[in-house]
Amino acid sequence: GAGVSQTPSNKVTEKGKYVELRCDPISGHTALYWYRQSLGQGPEFLIYFQGTGAADDSGLPNDRFFAVRPEGSVSTLKIQRTERGDSAVYLCASSPQRGLYNEQFFGPGTRLTVL
Amino acid sequence: AQRVTQPEKLLSVFKGAPVELKCNYSYSGSPELFWYVQYSRQRLQLLLRHISRESIKGFTADLNKGETSFHLKKPFAQEEDSAMYYCALKREYGNKLVFGAGTILRVKS
Repeated sequence: GAGVSQTPSNKVTEKGKYVELRCDPISGHTALYWYRQSLGQGPEFLIYFQGTGAADDSGLPNDRFFAVRPEGSVSTLKIQRTERGDSAVYLCASSPQRGLYNEQFFGPGTRLTVL
Repeated sequence: AQRVTQPEKLLSVFKGAPVELKCNYSYSGSPELFWYVQYSRQRLQLLLRHISRESIKGFTADLNKGETSFHLKKPFAQEEDSAMYYCALKREYGNKLVFGAGTILRVKS
């Protein structure tokens, strides 16, 4: 079946603009994660959804970042007043259910460039 | 806070040579450890996890709680092993993964 998909694959924006990044998880996966990967670093956790609710948003760097998952499937990561430091690859992952031993399946990422 | 350290940014070996990618972690509880791999122009994918105790593509990794390490090993490297490798940790009561910075493995012919 189809894996996790993310759109757009690339996004170039100007400092101060608003952007939305979309994630389509694997069908039936109840858990969804957002990570951010800066150049030369490993992915860094942002937020985790279980169903429609954000179960852990401790990784969101500040209140310019917000994510939703209104129907428990597709999720949108929203960044307001973008800054050059927000430039990174934003990764989405999904897993079948909560619990200790469930594999996270990653999408291809969205490369965000803030000029 | 949890931390994962991969001390080598780049490891270059010849085909057929043994490989060891180092991973150390700091966490006082009972974590679950993973190795993820990203081949060129592909997405990040799970290679193996310590609880499975299996060998995947000839790779193995043993969790050493005394040394807080989870090194990835393969006795004979192959060119197709060239990729970026990330070590990651998950707490026993959590879902998020904490990743190391990654090590590029380059296998030369």
